[in-house]
Amino acid sequence: DGGITQSPKYLFRKEGQNVTLSCEQNLNHDAMYWYRQDPGQGLRLIYYSQIVNDFQKGDIAEGYSVSREKKESFPLTVTSAQKNPTAFYLCASSRSTGAPYEQYFGPGTRLTVT
Amino acid sequence: RKEVEQDPGPFNVPEGATVAFNCTYSNSASQSFFWYRQDCRKEPKLLMSVYSSGNEDGRFTAQLNRASQYISLLIRDSKLSDSATYLCVVKDQGGKLIFGQGTELSVKP
Repeated sequence: DGGITQSPKYLFRKEGQNVTLSCEQNLNHDAMYWYRQDPGQGLRLIYYSQIVNDFQKGDIAEGYSVSREKKESFPLTVTSAQKNPTAFYLCASSRSTGAPYEQYFGPGTRLTVT
Repeated sequence: RKEVEQDPGPFNVPEGATVAFNCTYSNSASQSFFWYRQDCRKEPKLLMSVYSSGNEDGRFTAQLNRASQYISLLIRDSKLSDSATYLCVVKDQGGKLIFGQGTELSVKP
């Protein structure tokens, strides 16, 4: 089946530790995205990538880093510099960033930092 | 002013009711429009794209009014399984998706 996978589903970390969230897609999509969602709020864009070896900051990139070494993979690292890392992290992909291509989401990773 | 605004609800309706969600957006240069559905603690899933002429998919009808920068979603004959949060999503000219905070719908027997 084609789709987007994220792992793990739940992740617990101590404050001060970096953590990397996985995102893989086999849809042959060029564009990939990372969002975070906090309770009662809309999704906010962290980073996105339109092609391999290229990525751009979204609205809330501070404290996060990404890489795009392969078309299928777009891992997100939540660094210790991120002030409020506890959130629901969603990865998405689309054929391109242009209209009218919709984005498809992975199942998400719930990160809890204590 | 938020870029995409929705009534957060919740909307509590009986089965079989018709319910309408409204959404306004601030950027007149927005390119594409979508409604996503998000179940509790799950990822958003595309419900339907919204076209300028309006479009229908079974019990769901989406309308776009570019002049008023307004999008709507109408659900007819509500089912229990329609209970979810409905996200209004606008794609800007740079290709970025802007999400509303969502409207929660609860359909009761």
